[in-house]
Amino acid sequence: NAGVTQTPKFQVLKTGQSMTLQCAQDMNHNSMYWYRQDPGMGLRLIYYSASEGTTDKGEVPNGYNVSRLNKREFSLRLESAAPSQTSVYFCASRVTGHGGTYEQYFGPGTRLTVT
Amino acid sequence: GNSVTQMEGPVTLSEEAFLTINCTYTATGYPSLFWYVQYPGEGLQLLLKATKADDKGSNKGFEATYRKETTSFHLEKGSVQVSDSAVYFCALTRPNSGYSTLTFGKGTMLLVSP
Repeated sequence: NAGVTQTPKFQVLKTGQSMTLQCAQDMNHNSMYWYRQDPGMGLRLIYYSASEGTTDKGEVPNGYNVSRLNKREFSLRLESAAPSQTSVYFCASRVTGHGGTYEQYFGPGTRLTVT
Repeated sequence: GNSVTQMEGPVTLSEEAFLTINCTYTATGYPSLFWYVQYPGEGLQLLLKATKADDKGSNKGFEATYRKETTSFHLEKGSVQVSDSAVYFCALTRPNSGYSTLTFGKGTMLLVSP
């Protein structure tokens, strides 16, 4: 049981380039999330998917798009990277439904630098 | 809106010292409260949680009590170890979003020296 996995672990982009961050979970969780972590800012929610087929904006969605490919996978796309998107990106998942608890399980993160 | 405020760090302690990291929150309704820990270079791990007033969450020697009257969820440990050095995040669910999203504090770095 690998939990939540993210690829890549590290990435360097030039301004204007695009890329997709991949996330997968093998815990059969319904909900998935993308956060960014910046020094002194804690974690801020970019997008989330409460269930397969749905996505919603979080606190800081501008410049990003997401795709809930299936129940296991939730990808984050930067169409035209900007230096302000230099950050560490975390994916998380959570079980929902009767008897489910509310904690989220996090992946190891992707460290992205945009030059 | 909903928010979480944590004491700023870093908190620097010697091994076996007592730890308190303060956390207060603002929320409508009855949020669930969490402490997450992030070790260097890793993702966040759930440390403990409490889902209603007066609940005490505990794990690995850490404790926190959900105090609705003071809107607080302070993290404590009686005797810290070097291996406890990490960043600690207080978080709450958003009751008005069906408990689907988390709001985090900015994190408090703990450094424990031998």
